[in-house]
Amino acid sequence: DVKVTQSSRYLVKRTGEKVFLECVQDMDHENMFWYRQDPGLGLRLIYFSYDVKMKEKGDIPEGYSVSREKKERFSLILESASTNQTSMYLCASTVGGQPQHFGDGTRLSIL
Amino acid sequence: QKEVEQNSGPLSVPEGAIASLNCTYSDRGSQSFFWYRQYSGKSPELIMSIYSNGDKEDGRFTAQLNKASQYVSLLIRDSQPSDSATYLCAVNMNSWGKLQFGAGTQVVVTP
Repeated sequence: DVKVTQSSRYLVKRTGEKVFLECVQDMDHENMFWYRQDPGLGLRLIYFSYDVKMKEKGDIPEGYSVSREKKERFSLILESASTNQTSMYLCASTVGGQPQHFGDGTRLSIL
Repeated sequence: QKEVEQNSGPLSVPEGAIASLNCTYSDRGSQSFFWYRQYSGKSPELIMSIYSNGDKEDGRFTAQLNKASQYVSLLIRDSQPSDSATYLCAVNMNSWGKLQFGAGTQVVVTP
């Protein structure tokens, strides 16, 4: 079974802090994704990566950056956290046309 | 903008009945289609994948695909209270596994 592990289930940070969300997958998948999910807005893609050191912007990249130094790890960075970034963050991985597999999610609160 | 449309619900289904969920998509080139189940506060969980026209059955779940009509559906037979969740339709966008998600249909199974 595919295992996608997100570093924290719950996280509380302060406005202006630099926040790191980590995601690790154990299936050697090339493609990894970061989403945020808010009530009434569904899943929105922030960034994705199709190879080490390669990244593409999704639908809502503003205020975020990503890092993929190793194939199994994909990090989402909030450069200067703001209250409107309070959300559920979901990481997923896949290969080719196969379905994405999700981690358990990180519920991030910015105070 | 390539779109995936679902009825938001809630779809109220008596226990033991069939729940029928519908999804339409705009990109004729899409080849892979997925249904995810998401419980409140949890991450999406893959329940069905379908790649060719027709029906695919897995336990109490049946996915149906009609590429000519750009329509994919999910049937849940003998609905149980544990089936109460939001069901997300997802359509593959490219060879990197990028998915376009619908907003989800909330299903409520009443005893």
